[in-house]
Amino acid sequence: SQKIEQNSEALNIQEGKTATLTCNYTNYSPAYLQWYRQDPGRGPVFLLLIRENEKEKRKERLKVTFDTTLKQSLFHITASQPADSATYLCALYNFNKFYFGSGTKLNVKP
Amino acid sequence: SQTIHQWPATLVQPVGSPLSLECTVEGTSNPNLYWYRQAAGRGLQLLFYSIGIDQISSEVPQNLSASRPQDRQFILSSKKLLLSDSGFYLCAWRGTGSLSNYGYTFGSGTRLTVV
Repeated sequence: SQKIEQNSEALNIQEGKTATLTCNYTNYSPAYLQWYRQDPGRGPVFLLLIRENEKEKRKERLKVTFDTTLKQSLFHITASQPADSATYLCALYNFNKFYFGSGTKLNVKP
Repeated sequence: SQTIHQWPATLVQPVGSPLSLECTVEGTSNPNLYWYRQAAGRGLQLLFYSIGIDQISSEVPQNLSASRPQDRQFILSSKKLLLSDSGFYLCAWRGTGSLSNYGYTFGSGTRLTVV
């Protein structure tokens, strides 16, 4: 069966450090992958999209990698801030739809 | 600019009652529209998606239905709610054509509690 796995345990890091979140998938061959941020009680907000032929994508303090051999994407936030605390979701594109992982909660402590 | 409106924000309904959630998009035409549900502490489950008026695809057989009577209007309905229908319902749209760096734009969501 198809699975998208994100670490269900919260990631706790100190302000200023780099946060690294993982998204693993099985039985998908996504043309692209996205990362979203979700705050409590709100809809997800789109952050980055990376295509299968792109190894890395950057946007300000964010960096995403996409390894189609490992079937894995890594999401990095450098110089993290308490305002980065949220749940981060990865989503895979398959047949005109995006399928979401359950997300990883990031807590950045001052 | 494009905006998406979803209402109501919260809803408490008894078991067996009907449901109607509405979503509208402004500032774009022929968007792809989606309904997702998120159970507490869980990921987003795709319920329905639509690529055009009266073109609805269902992802998961369930107690819900969707309709798209106008290009920028997407409605989620149920004739009789079940307890298991409780959750956070999200409408989303995506532009058609070249994706470029497009992602979904989500509405603010409806928190549905079936009692």
